[in-house]
Amino acid sequence: DGGITQSPKYLFRKEGQNVTLSCEQNLNHDAMYWYRQDPGQGLRLIYYSQIVNDFQKGDIAEGYSVSREKKESFPLTVTSAQKNPTAFYLCASTLTPAGTMNTGELFFGEGSRLTVL
Amino acid sequence: GDSVTQMEGPVTLSEEAFLTINCTYTATGYPSLFWYVQYPGEGLQLLLKATKADDKGSNKGFEATYRKETTSFHLEKGSVQVSDSAVYFCALSSHTGRRALTFGSGTRLQVQP
Repeated sequence: DGGITQSPKYLFRKEGQNVTLSCEQNLNHDAMYWYRQDPGQGLRLIYYSQIVNDFQKGDIAEGYSVSREKKESFPLTVTSAQKNPTAFYLCASTLTPAGTMNTGELFFGEGSRLTVL
Repeated sequence: GDSVTQMEGPVTLSEEAFLTINCTYTATGYPSLFWYVQYPGEGLQLLLKATKADDKGSNKGFEATYRKETTSFHLEKGSVQVSDSAVYFCALSSHTGRRALTFGSGTRLQVQP
């Protein structure tokens, strides 16, 4: 079945470590997104990519990095520079990019919960 | 910049009660508007959407009408069920701004039998 797969579902990190969250989609979508979810704050945009080899910073990009070498994959690295990384991270994709007149449905993965020990 | 404001939760209702979750927005131009739902432990799913003023989105008994004059997109359901318990997010996609959805803070709905 087509969809978005995020891994791992749960991840624990020691302070000072970088960790990478995986996001893979087999929907043939061009646009992919990373959001961070904290209690009471909704979803905040970290990075997004409209096409392979191109990505843009969102509202809270500091301390994070991404790559988009393949259409199917959009991994997120949480670096040691991110001061408060404990959160729920959601990856999403869409066929028709947001911001266009024909914006389509955003498909989400099940999320990755990162805890810093 | 773009923003979405939702009523704070949790909203606690008895089964078969009427539901309203308020959502207002600020955006340049005429954005597309969405409601997404998140069930416990899962990602978000699209519930309904509207792309222009006076459009009504509907799905699974939920409805929301795009009101340009009040910049609102309130979610309603006539008779809620326990299975509707979830977190509901209002979101917008601006046609003149960045190419990503802006989400509200979410409203948790708890329906009691």
